[in-house]
Amino acid sequence: NAGVMQNPRHLVRRRGQEARLRCSPMKGHSHVYWYRQLPEEGLKFMVYLQKENIIDESGMPKERFSAEFPKEGPSILRIQQVVRGDSAAYFCASSPGYNRGSDTQYFGPGTRLTVL
Amino acid sequence: SQQGEEDPQALSIQEGENATMNCSYKTSINNLQWYRQNSGRGLVHLILIRSNEREKHSGRLRVTLDTSKKSSSLLITASRAADTASYFCAETSGSRLTFGEGTQLTVNP
Repeated sequence: NAGVMQNPRHLVRRRGQEARLRCSPMKGHSHVYWYRQLPEEGLKFMVYLQKENIIDESGMPKERFSAEFPKEGPSILRIQQVVRGDSAAYFCASSPGYNRGSDTQYFGPGTRLTVL
Repeated sequence: SQQGEEDPQALSIQEGENATMNCSYKTSINNLQWYRQNSGRGLVHLILIRSNEREKHSGRLRVTLDTSKKSSSLLITASRAADTASYFCAETSGSRLTFGEGTQLTVNP
């Protein structure tokens, strides 16, 4: 049973470009979470999704950031018109959703975004 | 101060010694989880302790939870060089995890 998969592992973008980060949850998991980790800091919650639904996006910046988890395929975190401050490690986690609010979340290896 | 604040921020010990890390939180929790992160890598789930539990063991790990003080501790016994990593507590309130800043543990061989 493969773990949470994220790609790419490293992504370099110039200011103003778009970044698309992908996350495939563990097999059997229907809940996906995105977190951002700035250098030397802990992880900060961004968004929580189920298939085709955004459940909680209270941690998402109001502009330029969007997330989706379609019926088929991976979850996508999209950052438009990237700025240097978007440089960070972005982690995806998944859970089975049996006990909403109490599930263990399993993390992927992260995507390290560098904005030049 | 931030939720899920770990103490100390950094800890350096010799192999074989025990390491204790503390975490304080502010909200009412469903459970509290501890994770490890090796440098430049993803997070590995270590242990989950529910709000109605006071102590939990897993191998060389022992976690305690004191809901009256809103604090938790992680004890790693007989540490190994491979335990060198950052350790985070994360409180679960609702569906999100709220992480602290972490404790950087260095185990010297």
